[in-house]
Amino acid sequence: DAGITQSPRHKVTETGTPVTLRCHQTENHRYMYWYRQDPGHGLRLIHYSYGVKDTDKGEVSDGYSVSRSKTEDFLLTLESATSSQTSVYFCAISDQGRGTDTQYFGPGTRLTVL
Amino acid sequence: DQQVKQNSPSLSVQEGRISILNCDYTNSMFDYFLWYKKYPAEGPTFLISISSIKDKNEDGRFTVFLNKSAKHLSLHIVPSQPGDSAVYFCAAKRGTNAGKSTFGDGTTLTVKP
Repeated sequence: DAGITQSPRHKVTETGTPVTLRCHQTENHRYMYWYRQDPGHGLRLIHYSYGVKDTDKGEVSDGYSVSRSKTEDFLLTLESATSSQTSVYFCAISDQGRGTDTQYFGPGTRLTVL
Repeated sequence: DQQVKQNSPSLSVQEGRISILNCDYTNSMFDYFLWYKKYPAEGPTFLISISSIKDKNEDGRFTVFLNKSAKHLSLHIVPSQPGDSAVYFCAAKRGTNAGKSTFGDGTTLTVKP
């Protein structure tokens, strides 16, 4: 199994509070991704990173920011959480980011915004 | 506009029979297709992939078929086992696009003993 951990695994917070989710990898993979999964929906890309300090937006990036100061860590921040951001968040990594290079996913973080 | 669609939210089959999961896509720029499997409370795991230059890829009990003209792919599981019960996601990507994948909504497969 690829070495990917996410913390926290579960979090309950209130509307308007800031939240930071952490993804940590031990595989030294270049690419890292944040997805959210909602009932009836597949995985939707929030942001991704193609190197240290190199990030870009995905399809549902509004209300989220990311940072990657080290190869192994990719942080997802909700500056002011809203109930619509209640979801399960998955971090993923990939090595080459091209061809059939697959993504390896973390175990997920379940976030509830009250 | 959803670029990757899995039109069957669920599928139930008997153990030992064939499971066929379908996926349609609209973006002709996609050139790699992958299937992921997800158990409850776990992250998705890679199952099998296919490049657009092929029309079939096989790995043990799992075979993926690609029909480019129809923009359609399918995953065949033969024989199906109760441990195959999971959510299956179809994903598509452009080969040079930083590995970003577009996922379908998933199909929940239930294999009955």
